[in-house]
Amino acid sequence: AQTVTQSQPEMSVQEAETVTLSCTYDTSESDYYLFWYKQPPSRQMILVIRQEAYKQQNATENRFSVNFQKAAKSFSLKISDSQLGDAAMYFCAYLSYNNNDMRFGAGTRLTVKP
Amino acid sequence: GAVVSQHPSWVICKSGTSVKIECRSLDFQATTMFWYRQFPKQSLMLMATSNEGSKATYEQGVEKDKFLINHASLTLSTLTVTSAHPEDSSFYICSASGLAGGKGEQFFGPGTRLTVL
Repeated sequence: AQTVTQSQPEMSVQEAETVTLSCTYDTSESDYYLFWYKQPPSRQMILVIRQEAYKQQNATENRFSVNFQKAAKSFSLKISDSQLGDAAMYFCAYLSYNNNDMRFGAGTRLTVKP
Repeated sequence: GAVVSQHPSWVICKSGTSVKIECRSLDFQATTMFWYRQFPKQSLMLMATSNEGSKATYEQGVEKDKFLINHASLTLSTLTVTSAHPEDSSFYICSASGLAGGKGEQFFGPGTRLTVL
């Protein structure tokens, strides 16, 4: 079974600075999807960014970008120009191409300091 | 964007009673719906996957007789916690996937906080 590991339980960043959240995963599959979700205090899961494994180009969404290293099975999230509203739990998730089972990492709590 | 709603958002019940939680896709047809459980300060754990019109597939360790899932239409799935006990208190989140969004993308409901006294 696929596993997703987030080794940073908590991270802190100064407002306007850049922070990188780490995620590694274990799989024997070649086709899959990777996601970063944000869960603010409201607990609503919000999709931040997604990456298809067959795409070599790293996904980017405004201030959010990923560093996808398929061989290393690494999928880190970089948040640039951090804002107070970025404070939340961030979950890395893996989705197999062949089924609908989404596996989540343990999460990283991001604090943004003004 | 695709919207998923859950009702109720918060429910308190007595031990031994049953509680039903509804999950609705408001603006798209959800061919598959998922139910997750999230304990405080923990990640989401998949409980079961349901496809419209067929029986749900439960994850290992999840009691199917305790957590009844029905996915009778393309816009509605329900989770019934039968004979609830305090250890069932948790945050339950549903998600849905279908033709909306990219392949594999799941749209999450706002969650339901269940407290069993």
